[in-house]
Amino acid sequence: GQQVMQIPQYQHVQEGEDFTTYCNSSTTLSNIQWYKQRPGGHPVFLIQLVKSGEVKKQKRLTFQFGEAKKNSSLHITATQTTDVGTYFCAGDRPIQGAQKLVFGQGTRLTINP
Amino acid sequence: DAMVIQNPRYQVTQFGKPVTLSCSQTLNHNVMYWYQQKSSQAPKLLFHYYDKDFNNEADTPDNFQSRRPNTSFCFLDIRSPGLGDAAMYLCATSRAGTGGYYGYTFGSGTRLTVV
Repeated sequence: GQQVMQIPQYQHVQEGEDFTTYCNSSTTLSNIQWYKQRPGGHPVFLIQLVKSGEVKKQKRLTFQFGEAKKNSSLHITATQTTDVGTYFCAGDRPIQGAQKLVFGQGTRLTINP
Repeated sequence: DAMVIQNPRYQVTQFGKPVTLSCSQTLNHNVMYWYQQKSSQAPKLLFHYYDKDFNNEADTPDNFQSRRPNTSFCFLDIRSPGLGDAAMYLCATSRAGTGGYYGYTFGSGTRLTVV
């Protein structure tokens, strides 16, 4: 079945350092979504990428979708303590009917203030 | 505010005693999902409803059932909870059928403890 791999599993940085998490799918995706889950919270939708090679920015966050639509990355510039949490990518295959997102294992970001 | 509401937030049940978790939404989304998330793991899809059509994942145990009596409500029934079913259960909603892709809106989850 479809698998979405995400690395690294954990990342600890000093506040102000950059952070990147990578996502790879075994199959071509119709779109990829990114979610943030704070400790003790639920996943919150951040962004969706649909087009091959797409790059989107949200303030300090930059999201990329690979040309082959099989990989993606999230880069955070100059991390802040509010960025703490687990970042999940989630991919969807181009099938009929409703979306069925498959989540990567997540990257847990901790920050030393 | 439009949202996805899960009740209860915390549920303790006895081993083998049936339990029902509930989810309601005011978003009028036509798709509702149930995910199971164990500690430090990714959410795992159990099943989803596309309107009234139920779609079970192949590896979802028979112990897990779901009901969607109307657009707004969806229930997760665990017929005989085992210790391995202790987890956070997340309900999510999404739109479908309009040719686009949309982010999920998750509820706050129900943390299930089995004793």
